[in-house]
Amino acid sequence: ETGVTQTPRHLVMGMTNKKSLKCEQHLGHNAMYWYKQSAKKPLELMFVYSLEERVENNSVPSRFSPECPNSSHLFLHLHTLQPEDSALYLCASSPNGARDEQFFGPGTRLTVL
Amino acid sequence: GENVEQHPSTLSVQEGDSAVIKCTYSDSASNYFPWYKQELGKRPQLIIDIRSNVGEKKDQRIAVTLNKTAKHFSLHITETQPEDSAVYFCAASPPGAGSYQLTFGKGTKLSVIP
Repeated sequence: ETGVTQTPRHLVMGMTNKKSLKCEQHLGHNAMYWYKQSAKKPLELMFVYSLEERVENNSVPSRFSPECPNSSHLFLHLHTLQPEDSALYLCASSPNGARDEQFFGPGTRLTVL
Repeated sequence: GENVEQHPSTLSVQEGDSAVIKCTYSDSASNYFPWYKQELGKRPQLIIDIRSNVGEKKDQRIAVTLNKTAKHFSLHITETQPEDSAVYFCAASPPGAGSYQLTFGKGTKLSVIP
């Protein structure tokens, strides 16, 4: 157990649904990340929060909305998704920036119908 | 922004042989290069990393080499074992104390045949 948990592990939603992904870390890390992992593509960084402040937003569509209420929790709110958004969504945390080891959660397998 | 190319996309080796995975990066200012291993159905985990002030780093059967001039770095696994079978990702990070960007390669699926 790496100390980073994600719920749910699997999610199937329609294009008009609204759902949220949750990530929690108990490692005392200051930085938290959302990545998208699709087949045959690199891990794509979506958002980064450092000490609860968003520091990176890699041109992600507005149908993805992150929230970081405190340094231990990170959410990804989803609405009006497209089928091409189906992927594994990984949360990670690190002590500080990207040049520290990133600890990944198990991921949420999202399917958009 | 940074672009990381990784080759090969798949690699099969006999148990006991060596495996080499290569990555090139585009931003000459990048100075941190980690490698992550992702076993089937599991989360990525850091296996080794190298910073630009060194040319090689070893940890038991794995090693990473860095050529800053050519902007490429490689992962070397010796005496491969079946449990080395996984997808390996290289990554590069630009400088800056507050940098949060980590650009990944597409991954290499390594299969070690017993």
